[in-house]
Amino acid sequence: RKEVEQDPGPFNVPEGATVAFNCTYSNSASQSFFWYRQDCRKEPKLLMSVYSSGNEDGRFTAQLNRASQYISLLIRDSKLSDSATYLCASYMGRRALTFGSGTRLQVQP
Amino acid sequence: GAGVSQSPSNKVTEKGKDVELRCDPISGHTALYWYRQRLGQGLEFLIYFQGNSAPDKSGLPSDRFSAERTGESVSTLTIQRTQQEDSAVYLCASSLGGNQPQHFGDGTRLSIL
Repeated sequence: RKEVEQDPGPFNVPEGATVAFNCTYSNSASQSFFWYRQDCRKEPKLLMSVYSSGNEDGRFTAQLNRASQYISLLIRDSKLSDSATYLCASYMGRRALTFGSGTRLQVQP
Repeated sequence: GAGVSQSPSNKVTEKGKDVELRCDPISGHTALYWYRQRLGQGLEFLIYFQGNSAPDKSGLPSDRFSAERTGESVSTLTIQRTQQEDSAVYLCASSLGGNQPQHFGDGTRLSIL
């Protein structure tokens, strides 16, 4: 089993839709979770950190569920510009981040 | 402010040659990381530097790969006797330290002919 798992997608949604991705992790001692966005042939860009209490940044909401060992990302009112691959990452007791393979989102007009 | 800077942006070289990739982290970031991303794949951890501590080299795939960092500044990743399977984007990231978000450079796209 991978340490950080994501549904690869693609998720094809119309503009204005709400879409949610989950990311499961295997190490219950994992700390500090993050969502990154990666556009095609570009570097990952930090989207948001994920706090235990959940956090929101505009149209984006991140949640952490420690009991079930997953984090989620909710995107409301999807824009064409949200089309990208979304990577979850966690420090899993190591000193470097462990990344999921990413979930591809395609927002369609 | 300046982000993580990597050079070169692209490198094409013949199999068997040595290559050196450079990373300049965000000023004040004590932690520096190298990752590799093959086409269509996820990020693969290579090596991690934190201040003056011994680096975590657990991700280096073979002894052809090495990296150095002087203090809390520039790092170089060296690949000796390159092979075609070394073709990938090499990404460098830096952070303020453990458990902090990492910020990535644009990467070096390495192609081995």
